[in-house]
Amino acid sequence: RKEVEQDPGPFNVPEGATVAFNCTYSNSASQSFFWYRQDCRKEPKLLMSVYSSGNEDGRFTAQLNRASQYISLLIRDSKLSDSATYLCVVNAPSGNTGKLIFGQGTTLQVKP
Amino acid sequence: DAGVIQSPRHEVTEMGQEVTLRCKPISGHDYLFWYRQTMMRGLELLIYFNNNVPIDDSGMPEDRFSAKMPNASFSTLKIQPSEPRDSAVYFCASGSASGASDTQYFGPGTRLTVL
Repeated sequence: RKEVEQDPGPFNVPEGATVAFNCTYSNSASQSFFWYRQDCRKEPKLLMSVYSSGNEDGRFTAQLNRASQYISLLIRDSKLSDSATYLCVVNAPSGNTGKLIFGQGTTLQVKP
Repeated sequence: DAGVIQSPRHEVTEMGQEVTLRCKPISGHDYLFWYRQTMMRGLELLIYFNNNVPIDDSGMPEDRFSAKMPNASFSTLKIQPSEPRDSAVYFCASGSASGASDTQYFGPGTRLTVL
């Protein structure tokens, strides 16, 4: 089983749609969670951290379910510029401070 | 801040040649990471350093790969001899234990093609 699993997609949605991505992680000891965004032929960039209570940043909402070891990202009112690959990221268990584990990514294509 | 700087941005070489990739982390960051990304395997951590000391090199594929960090502002990843299967994008990232928990900042990457 992969340490971080995501549906690779692609998700093809029209502008204005709401889309949700899910991710599961295998190690219950993980403490930090993130979503990174990667545009085609560019480097990954931090989109948002994910907190236990859930958090929102504009049109983006992240949720964490520790019991199910499940992370989600919701994008409302999709824009063409949201087209990218979204990487689910968790930190490695204790003893590997600073190390992150990246999922394979979910590709989103927003169509006009 | 200039962000993480990597050079070269593109490298095309022939099988058997030595390849050296370079990275300058963000000033003040004490963690430096080398990743490799391919379509098939996604983003893989090769090695990372803390305060210039290698902490985990379990991702280094084989002895042909080596990495050094002689000081806080410079690191190299070397492949000798290179093989076609080493073709990938190599990213360097840096982070700080005193900053946002575990956040890493990536450089633009080096796109390596081994013919």
